[in-house]
Amino acid sequence: DGGITQSPKYLFRKEGQNVTLSCEQNLNHDAMYWYRQDPGQGLRLIYYSQIVNDFQKGDIAEGYSVSREKKESFPLTVTSAQKNPTAFYLCASATGVNQPQHFGDGTRLSIL
Amino acid sequence: QQQVKQSPQSLIVQKGGISIINCAYENTAFDYFPWYQQFPGKGPALLIAIRPDVSEKKEGRFTISFNKSAKQFSLHIMDSQPGDSATYFCAASMYSGGYQKVTFGTGTKLQVIP
Repeated sequence: DGGITQSPKYLFRKEGQNVTLSCEQNLNHDAMYWYRQDPGQGLRLIYYSQIVNDFQKGDIAEGYSVSREKKESFPLTVTSAQKNPTAFYLCASATGVNQPQHFGDGTRLSIL
Repeated sequence: QQQVKQSPQSLIVQKGGISIINCAYENTAFDYFPWYQQFPGKGPALLIAIRPDVSEKKEGRFTISFNKSAKQFSLHIMDSQPGDSATYFCAASMYSGGYQKVTFGTGTKLQVIP
């Protein structure tokens, strides 16, 4: 079945630690996105990538980094510079202009 | 101008009733309006979507009504069922700066009671 796989489902971060969230898709989509979801705030865009080896900052990129070395993979690193990382992180992909985004089932990140 | 305002924040409907969620936008450059359904612990899933050249779109029990002049659109769930209990997000999308920019509403938590 085609889809987006996010791992791990739950992640705990210690202070001063960087953690990496995995996102893999087998939909052959060019565009991939990372969103952060907080209660009552909808989804906010962290980073997006239209093609391999290219990515752009979204609305709330500070404290996060990404890479796009393969079309299928778009990992997100939450760095120690992100002071309020507790949230539900969603990865999405899309095939083209004005096409719906397909989402993974998210990673919930908490602080230890 | 990039905001999408969604209401109500929460909604309780009896089984068999009609659930109505409303959204409003400001930016007339938006040209694609999807609705997503999200269950706890899961990612949002596309429910139904509409483009601004259409005033209404129906898929099963779900209908989008779109008012271009008022810059408003709404989701109607007919014959609401307990299985429809979820959080619903409206969104507005446009192609800008080389990518598809999607702005999401803040969500409506729907509870359908038997």
